[in-house]
Amino acid sequence: DIQMTQSPSTLSASIGDRVTITCRASQSISRWLAWYQQKPGKAPKLLIYKASSLESGVPSRFSGSGSGTEFTLTINSLQPDDFATYYCQQYNSPPWTFGQGTKVEIK
Amino acid sequence: QLQLQESGPGLVKPSETLSLTCSVSGGSIGSDTYYWGWVRQPPGKGLEWIGSINYSGSTYYNPSLKSRATISVDTSKNQFSLKVSSVTAADTAVYYCARLTIQRYFDNWGQGTLVTVSS
Repeated sequence: DIQMTQSPSTLSASIGDRVTITCRASQSISRWLAWYQQKPGKAPKLLIYKASSLESGVPSRFSGSGSGTEFTLTINSLQPDDFATYYCQQYNSPPWTFGQGTKVEIK
Repeated sequence: QLQLQESGPGLVKPSETLSLTCSVSGGSIGSDTYYWGWVRQPPGKGLEWIGSINYSGSTYYNPSLKSRATISVDTSKNQFSLKVSSVTAADTAVYYCARLTIQRYFDNWGQGTLVTVSS
């Protein structure tokens, strides 16, 4: 199985900050990576697919980059609605696997 | 607008079989563009893909469940279902049904349903 490791596990930030979350794969996954946002008690929501493609309706302050084994999710100008947990997911080869999550908290 | 809704018992006894159904509305499950799958999340933990199925019944599963999971589809009812046999407390989780794109990321999710395994 491909292991996905996110860092940091928790991140404290303020409104307006630029936030970066890293996701590393245990082997190359090309650009077959998605990012999700999950709020407490809610289902995950797709933000980005194919490493950098923004899902329809997702604010442009979210962006993704990377290829191979290292990827980043960046949130420019953090908004109150962005405090949540973020997960990466590889879909290069089954079983599809997720990172352990990064919780973005209010500083 | 596509909507997915999980249904099934919220409490299952150890060693019994967990059974859930996902009802799909606002779109047809009988499309060769998508797969349909299940993801679970133990309380306070991360996400685990369980398995997926397409409209014709082609399935694939996460080996971590050691063949305890079975997914089926009923295109006439626009539903798909999950069974997990021989459950233990470790199977306690929120279970989500979701649609997978042809590339296999999850673009639509149900709201999730908590299943507790306890006697």
